[in-house]
Amino acid sequence: AQSVTQLDSQVPVFEEAPVELRCNYSSSVSVYLFWYVQYPNQGLQLLLKYLSGSTLVKGINGFEAEFNKSQTSFHLRKPSVHISDTAEYFCAVRGMGGYNKLIFGAGTRLAVHP
Amino acid sequence: EPEVTQTPSHQVTQMGQEVILRCVPISNHLYFYWYRQILGQKVEFLVSFYNNEISEKSEIFDDQFSVERPDGSNFTLKIRSTKLEDSAMYFCATGQDNQPQHFGDGTRLSIL
Repeated sequence: AQSVTQLDSQVPVFEEAPVELRCNYSSSVSVYLFWYVQYPNQGLQLLLKYLSGSTLVKGINGFEAEFNKSQTSFHLRKPSVHISDTAEYFCAVRGMGGYNKLIFGAGTRLAVHP
Repeated sequence: EPEVTQTPSHQVTQMGQEVILRCVPISNHLYFYWYRQILGQKVEFLVSFYNNEISEKSEIFDDQFSVERPDGSNFTLKIRSTKLEDSAMYFCATGQDNQPQHFGDGTRLSIL
């Protein structure tokens, strides 16, 4: 079984400041890791994914995340945020195999202030 | 970029009624899923569907729920005898092998 912990329910930040959204997971098997973003009244959009290879992965909108197997973490970072980045961010894990379900964290609400 | 399409975007139903939520998957995807997000809570897995049968279901997915792909294109979630606690956003997702799942915009289900 897998589980995901997002350590911050809300992260307020000023525009153009850097941000890190934290995610830790637990699993007895190897997993794939994902970050999804949800804008108000919209669905879930994939930001980035870690399937294999380089532990630093880059996604859309200038976001990146680093997979740390020893710390079972997959923190999301952006060096300079915009007002438009205000949204809910979900970390998710999935066992390897085509039909495996996603297990989501509780989400982190990023609020970017001018 | 291909999209997962869900209809309706919002469904309001009286308690005890049946609802059917519809999803049109991305055309070459083989794996289909339904997830639920109660307002203010995390996204929860309901069911996965592959090769015309359920692959896995959560404890939420009891006899009240069913899924089917009746015509080879639409993927539906039926909720019989709806309850107040079924009010939530329901997301369809589809996937291919080990690639990320793609989500639709969701159906907001309101049970009165």
